Amino acid sequence: EVQLVESGGGLVQPGGSLRLSCAASGFIVSRNYMSWVRQAPGKGPEWVSVIYSGGSTYYADSVKGRFTISRDNSKNTLYIQMNSLRAEDTAVYYCARQWFGEPPDVWGKGTKVTVSS
Amino acid sequence: EIVMTQSPATLSVSPGERATLSCRASQSVRSNLAWYQQKPGQAPRLLIYGASTRATGIPARFSGSGSGTEFTLTISSLQSEDFAVYYCQQYNNWYTFGQGTRLEIK
Repeated sequence: EVQLVESGGGLVQPGGSLRLSCAASGFIVSRNYMSWVRQAPGKGPEWVSVIYSGGSTYYADSVKGRFTISRDNSKNTLYIQMNSLRAEDTAVYYCARQWFGEPPDVWGKGTKVTVSS
Repeated sequence: EIVMTQSPATLSVSPGERATLSCRASQSVRSNLAWYQQKPGQAPRLLIYGASTRATGIPARFSGSGSGTEFTLTISSLQSEDFAVYYCQQYNNWYTFGQGTRLEIK
């Protein structure tokens, strides 16, 4: 069964850091495009970052320079390192699998990040 | 950035009736348009991609149409499990989502 399980969310102070993980099963992370998408309370989803199968990485302007996406092929796991966190980064963060030229088709259940003092 | 605008914000429909949801892109996204369903506390679920292709396991009562800047999601005969929030997403130029249409029971 294809599955994604996020972890690492929690409460962090403004300016702090957090690393989220996304463990995959049933498919190989490195052979797919993998994205992080977040959803603030009461809002629509917002794409955050993607890592291509070849290793190229891209970011939304809102997180560029603060967030870093990566993967560990030996653990079949996706990560996102989030630094200099702001209140507006508060959201549920989902990881998602996608194929070239297609939208995300498999999503995890999400992990909640709250940035507050 | 391509802006996706969904209408209406809320749609009230009786079970068994047809629901029609709209999505407009600020510039052409060709047919690179997806529809998602989201229920409270759950992740979005892919329904339609390529504007009109149903994802695996999606019932035939869900259909999508359109290209360029105007798109429609139609649910032909609403079942109780269909009442949820629906989002469109363009993936022609990076990825942006609409603000959602809440489909509620009339």
